[in-house]
Amino acid sequence: GQSLEQPSEVTAVEGAIVQINCTYQTSGFYGLSWYQQHDGGAPTFLSYNALDGLEETGRFSSFLSRSDSYGYLLLQELQMKDSASYFCAGNNYGQNFVFGPGTRLSVLP
Amino acid sequence: EAGVTQFPSHSVIEKGQTVTLRCDPISGHDNLYWYRRVMGKEIKFLLHFVKESKQDESGMPNNRFLAERTGGTYSTLKVQPAELEDSGVYFCASSRRGSGQGKSPLHFGNGTRLTVT
Repeated sequence: GQSLEQPSEVTAVEGAIVQINCTYQTSGFYGLSWYQQHDGGAPTFLSYNALDGLEETGRFSSFLSRSDSYGYLLLQELQMKDSASYFCAGNNYGQNFVFGPGTRLSVLP
Repeated sequence: EAGVTQFPSHSVIEKGQTVTLRCDPISGHDNLYWYRRVMGKEIKFLLHFVKESKQDESGMPNNRFLAERTGGTYSTLKVQPAELEDSGVYFCASSRRGSGQGKSPLHFGNGTRLTVT
């Protein structure tokens, strides 16, 4: 099976850079995804890493190290609208996405 | 394209009653998933359809939960009889390909907030 761990809360100020870590334990692993969820809204896809290394999409980047069973989401030039919950999710080939507990990011002015 | 839609957005029922949630996936998405988030905790997997077939229902908590996807289009999730611990937000998601087939993200609906009193 899979389990993923994330910090429960992170706080940062506008314009700053924040990193949200995700560690996982799994018997088999295919990739790590990141989703953003604003209060009352639908989780939305941010990024996916199937290979080790950094994936960059605008202000957001995601990193994966399969040997360390570790990944992170990096948010740069933080904006107030980035305040949300962020979930990492792992998947085994042919199985389903398993989500972490989520990290609540608060961006302060 | 239209997104994943869920109905109702909110439901308040009494313990012992029945509730049916509906999900309309994105057209052309064969994969449909149900997830639940309870009390701000993790988004927990319930089950996965590929077209009309149940690919994996290992996350269904007990036999009070019944999911169907007749014709491989929309899906329903029925809770009967509802218990207090069933309260939470039920999300439906769809994807064009399965979770293991490369980068195929989940597209989530806005969820149904179920409150059992």
